[in-house]
Amino acid sequence: AQTVTQSQPEMSVQEAETVTLSCTYDTSESDYYLFWYKQPPSRQMILVIRQEAYKQQNATENRFSVNFQKAAKSFSLKISDSQLGDAAMYFCAYRSAQGSNYKLTFGKGTLLTVNP
Amino acid sequence: NAGVMQNPRHLVRRRGQEARLRCSPMKGHSHVYWYRQLPEEGLKFMVYLQKENIIDESGMPKERFSAEFPKEGPSILRIQQVVRGDSAAYFCASSPDSLKTQYFGPGTRLTVL
Repeated sequence: AQTVTQSQPEMSVQEAETVTLSCTYDTSESDYYLFWYKQPPSRQMILVIRQEAYKQQNATENRFSVNFQKAAKSFSLKISDSQLGDAAMYFCAYRSAQGSNYKLTFGKGTLLTVNP
Repeated sequence: NAGVMQNPRHLVRRRGQEARLRCSPMKGHSHVYWYRQLPEEGLKFMVYLQKENIIDESGMPKERFSAEFPKEGPSILRIQQVVRGDSAAYFCASSPDSLKTQYFGPGTRLTVL
């Protein structure tokens, strides 16, 4: 079974600075998807970014980018120019690319605090 | 395009009562997934449904929990005879097919007194 590990229960960053959240995963599959979801105090789960394992290029969405290291099974999220609205719980998630295996497996999350 | 809708947002039940949680997927999405988030935990998969079919319920507790997604209307997660350990946030997600990204609703926070 796949597992997702987020080793940082909490992180903090100064407004306008950059922060990196770590995620590692364990799988024997070669094709899969990785995601970062954000959960602000409203508790809504919001998709931040998605990476297909077969793509070597790291995904980017505005101020959010990932460092995907397939051999190391590492998938970190970098937030640049941090804003107060980025404060949230961030979850890393894995999903197989096999059509019959659609479950998202989540890590336990990293609570990000943004200091003004 | 409205997102995934869940209601109620908050539900309080006493032990032994029934809880019914509703999920309306995004327009055009026929695949629905339910996840549960216990305090201080990530989300855990419960069940995957398509219209009128349960595809995978491997994450559902064997007793008291059931789910449906009828031809018309929202998906329903039903918990009978609730216990304190059922207190959690229950999230619904939808996608147009099993390979596409799942988009989440705002969740229902169930509190069992």
